[in-house]
Amino acid sequence: QQQVKQSPQSLIVQKGGISIINCAYENTAFDYFPWYQQFPGKGPALLIAIRPDVSEKKEGRFTISFNKSAKQFSLHIMDSQPGDSATYFCAASNGNAGNMLTFGGGTRLMVKP
Amino acid sequence: DSGVTQTPKHLITATGQRVTLRCSPRSGDLSVYWYQQSLDQGLQFLIQYYNGEERAKGNILERFSAQQFPDLHSELNLSSLELGDSALYFCASSFSGQNTGELFFGEGSRLTVL
Repeated sequence: QQQVKQSPQSLIVQKGGISIINCAYENTAFDYFPWYQQFPGKGPALLIAIRPDVSEKKEGRFTISFNKSAKQFSLHIMDSQPGDSATYFCAASNGNAGNMLTFGGGTRLMVKP
Repeated sequence: DSGVTQTPKHLITATGQRVTLRCSPRSGDLSVYWYQQSLDQGLQFLIQYYNGEERAKGNILERFSAQQFPDLHSELNLSSLELGDSALYFCASSFSGQNTGELFFGEGSRLTVL
């Protein structure tokens, strides 16, 4: 059973535009929601993360919006750059079940110059 | 560089064979996680160890097994390999096995089963 659903599967954005990736989860016990960025040939690396006690977190051009009642969260990349072209994964974990992450299916982002 | 080291980086083998993937966690990290990444399944959690003990189990096949040694490195053993086992296998580590957040991923071991 897929507990974290991510959309879209792929996204093409012009340089300077806004990239938006959405995720929805089912398990209300999840209490940590990170986004990972993966470049070809590399392992995923933490980009930004949020806990459910806040509705938004911003780090530079990257913002997570979190809607606890809707069980949804999203990643916004402002002023998207070609160097942002990568695969992005949302994830969630439940502290009472260890630190293992359940990942969404991934979004392949391409930012055109 | 995440500090997590995985070997080998690439491995090609035949169906029915057995392979061992090795992971050295970041210095000081006590918890190790194994993930499988395939094109149609995304990143699937396999198993977690914390300080030598199994902590959590995901969708790991019975043909697969893992362990974490006293020096905290971990090995993932894959046996009776099938074509469908071809994938990238990632190891990740964290200091704690609790919900402290960030997992640090290695660069993966790419397994091809012919």
